[in-house]
Amino acid sequence: DAKTTQPPSMDCAEGRAANLPCNHSTISGNEYVYWYRQIHSQGPQYIIHGLKNNETNEMASLIITEDRKSSTLILPHATLRDTAVYYCIVRAKTGANNLFFGTGTRLTVIP
Amino acid sequence: DTEVTQTPKHLVMGMTNKKSLKCEQHMGHRAMYWYKQKAKKPPELMFVYSYEKLSINESVPSRFSPECPNSSLLNLHLHALQPEDSALYLCASSQAPAVVLDTQYFGPGTRLTVL
Repeated sequence: DAKTTQPPSMDCAEGRAANLPCNHSTISGNEYVYWYRQIHSQGPQYIIHGLKNNETNEMASLIITEDRKSSTLILPHATLRDTAVYYCIVRAKTGANNLFFGTGTRLTVIP
Repeated sequence: DTEVTQTPKHLVMGMTNKKSLKCEQHMGHRAMYWYKQKAKKPPELMFVYSYEKLSINESVPSRFSPECPNSSLLNLHLHALQPEDSALYLCASSQAPAVVLDTQYFGPGTRLTVL
């Protein structure tokens, strides 16, 4: 699976959009981009995933660049409960479906 | 119901003790996982069970012994652990092992302290 690079930490004001970047320059054509988050002392929680088109669900939007070398997770209106570590994971289309977590981005939403 | 439950929430054990961690899901998932997470580090995969059979062991020491007695239960038996094994142990499940776009659902974890 391709390696990902994320900033170690970010702050966001409550009510504003949180934009979390992820670089995956070695991603291959059959690899998907997944996002999970882990709120303190809880298990990781699935957020969203995509291949090459932008995706949106009730939690977030995922924007993947045309060359697929990077992506951005957008939380449109961050709340204090969104404070967590956000993991960007690249997963192959075939093979084992276990997750390899990188170091993630610690997002702090500030009142 | 998308819940994975883990018991106990906290466990303190000595290096000579034998204990077990338990994980349960009732979503009909056929893949179950154990992850280990040290403080301020990301989760690391330990074991994967597919259709109640061990399919992946990430070179985990034998003092950790997984068991999948049925499709809803996953145990992790602990024996002769070391203090460096203190960590948060996370269980996860997903619908079907061969399905690539398979979302994993995680339990809250068991925080283990080895004295």
